[in-house]
Amino acid sequence: TQLLEQSPQFLSIQEGENLTVYCNSSSVFSSLQWYRQEPGEGPVLLVTVVTGGEVKKLKRLTFQFGDARKDSSLHITAAQPGDTGLYLCAGDYNTNAGKSTFGDGTTLTVKP
Amino acid sequence: NAGVMQNPRHLVRRRGQEARLRCSPMKGHSHVYWYRQLPEEGLKFMVYLQKENIIDESGMPKERFSAEFPKEGPSILRIQQVVRGDSAAYFCASSPRRNNEQFFGPGTRLTVL
Repeated sequence: TQLLEQSPQFLSIQEGENLTVYCNSSSVFSSLQWYRQEPGEGPVLLVTVVTGGEVKKLKRLTFQFGDARKDSSLHITAAQPGDTGLYLCAGDYNTNAGKSTFGDGTTLTVKP
Repeated sequence: NAGVMQNPRHLVRRRGQEARLRCSPMKGHSHVYWYRQLPEEGLKFMVYLQKENIIDESGMPKERFSAEFPKEGPSILRIQQVVRGDSAAYFCASSPRRNNEQFFGPGTRLTVL
C-alpha cells in the first residue's frame, strides 16, 4: 500500500509571511498533483508535476518535484488570507490503474 | 464547458435507508472516480469506472456499496442500509483518459441520523 504523508498537518501564519508544505512518499510517483480545497467545496487542481527536479510557478506559489520523484513541496510567498484552505497532494503510481492516492492535507490559515 | 456536477449537494438519511449519489462528468470525459472524505482528512479512493465498466473497486467496502456508470446518464454511487459511519463527503472526479488529471465535483455531503 502506497502511503503519502503531508506535513505540517496544520499551519497558521500572518498575512505576508512565507511558508512551505511538504508531500513525501516511499514510492516513486509517475506524476503528482497539488490541489486546494475550500470548506464545502471539491478540490481544485493547482498543478501537475511529472519530471524529477521540475519546478513550476503559479503566481506566488512555487511547486517543486524531487529529483527521485518521491517527494514534492509547495512554497507560498507573501501569503494572503485568500490562500486559506486545505492543500492536498495526490500521487499517481505506475502500479495503479488510474486512481490517485491522496495525502491527508495541510490545513493553512492565513490571518489578516 | 460545465464542470463535474454532483447531486444532491446535501443528503440526509436515517439508518437503514438507501442513499443514491449522482455524478455527471465533464463533457468528453469517460473516466469517473469516487472518493470519500472525512472531516480534516484527505480523500480516500473508492472506485474507478469507465463507461459501463468498473476498472478498480479496491477502495469500495465489500457490502452495501455499489457503483455504476451506464452508457447513458450519470454515474451512481449507491449505499444500501446506511449506518452512521457512512456520514462523509463523497466526491466524484472525471478525466478524459486513464492516468490523466482529474477534475472534481463539489461533492455530496451525506448525513446519516
